[in-house]
Amino acid sequence: DGGITQSPKYLFRKEGQNVTLSCEQNLNHDAMYWYRQDPGQGLRLIYYSQIVNDFQKGDIAEGYSVSREKKESFPLTVTSAQKNPTAFYLCASNPEDDGDYGYTFGSGTRLTVV
Amino acid sequence: DQQVKQNSPSLSVQEGRISILNCDYTNSMFDYFLWYKKYPAEGPTFLISISSIKDKNEDGRFTVFLNKSAKHLSLHIVPSQPGDSAVYFCAASEESGANNLFFGTGTRLTVIP
Repeated sequence: DGGITQSPKYLFRKEGQNVTLSCEQNLNHDAMYWYRQDPGQGLRLIYYSQIVNDFQKGDIAEGYSVSREKKESFPLTVTSAQKNPTAFYLCASNPEDDGDYGYTFGSGTRLTVV
Repeated sequence: DQQVKQNSPSLSVQEGRISILNCDYTNSMFDYFLWYKKYPAEGPTFLISISSIKDKNEDGRFTVFLNKSAKHLSLHIVPSQPGDSAVYFCAASEESGANNLFFGTGTRLTVIP
């Protein structure tokens, strides 16, 4: 079955540590995205990538970094510079040539800073 | 600044009745609108979409209405079922397949059996 796999589902991080969230897709989609969801707020775009080895900052990129070395993979690193990292993180993908159905989302990673 | 707004954080409806979820937007360049459904601890799933050339799109029990002059869209679910209980997000972009979807804050729908 094609889809997006995010791992782990739950992640705990100590303050001051970097942590990397995994996102893998086997949909052959060109574009991939990272969103953050906080209670009472909509999904906010962190980073997106339209093609391998290229990515752009979204609305709230500070304290985050990404890479896109392979079409299938778009890992997100939450660095110690992110002041409030506790949130639910969603990865999504979209075929560049047919976006009528919007994005396909993964099941999310809940990150908690302890 | 929130460009897509869902002003009702929650809605409760009796099973079999109509659920109406509302969404307002501020960016007149938005041309394509989508509704997503989200269960707890899962990613959103696409539900229905509409482009600005239409004012209505229907898919089974789900109908989306678009009023461009009012910058308002709504999702109607008829009849509502307990399995419809979820958070519904409205999203908008400047064109289909665009690189950035702007999401509303979501409305939690509870369908009471």
